Amino acid sequence: AQKITQTQPGMFVQEKEAVTLDCTYDTSDPSYGLFWYKQPSSGEMIFLIYQGSYDQQNATEGRYSLNFQKARKSANLVISASQLGDSAMYFCAMREPYQAGTALIFGKGTTLSVSS
Amino acid sequence: DADVTQTPRNRITKTGKRIMLECSQTKGHDRMYWYRQDPGLGLRLIYYSFDVKDINKGEISDGYSVSRQAQAKFSLSLESAIPNQTALYFCATSDPTGEETQYFGPGTRLLVL
Repeated sequence: AQKITQTQPGMFVQEKEAVTLDCTYDTSDPSYGLFWYKQPSSGEMIFLIYQGSYDQQNATEGRYSLNFQKARKSANLVISASQLGDSAMYFCAMREPYQAGTALIFGKGTTLSVSS
Repeated sequence: DADVTQTPRNRITKTGKRIMLECSQTKGHDRMYWYRQDPGLGLRLIYYSFDVKDINKGEISDGYSVSRQAQAKFSLSLESAIPNQTALYFCATSDPTGEETQYFGPGTRLLVL
């Protein structure tokens, strides 16, 4: 079974609008971390935001926020006021502390296209 | 200067050749990782290392080997390259304290003919 599921292969949004990218995860470990990365067309992986499983508040980093719903096992990324430079692939990832040296497990990604 | 660097950035090789991809970091992190990205599959873990003397296989280690020459250097080798190893390869590092965020190098695009 997939541990990280991103159900939206592609999303389209207009500049200045907000967009939500979905991510659900599967783990039985009570301690885990959730990450979002951005991959522009140039290929590099850019860290955006982190949410720990014990964090009470939703994480925020500038225009990025993470809508963390623990009971539903979802960790959706919200980008406010979209910009053309937000067009990229976005990956959700999970770290389980006792699996594979705490390496990240990635979803398949969502391609976001921002239009003017 | 970038904190995590990878060389080469692009490489074309032929089936059966041995090649090495190199990763260096100036972040002072003990933990280093090699991932592979294929279209539509996200990133998958090849090998990871917690320190110079600790190297472990990941999800897809067959056909690959690694060497941790120093805290700052972690190399990935394809002993005998095959076309289905054509992919984008990433090195990453993390600090075992706190959030343990992984920071990625720019990637190496490898084409095996």
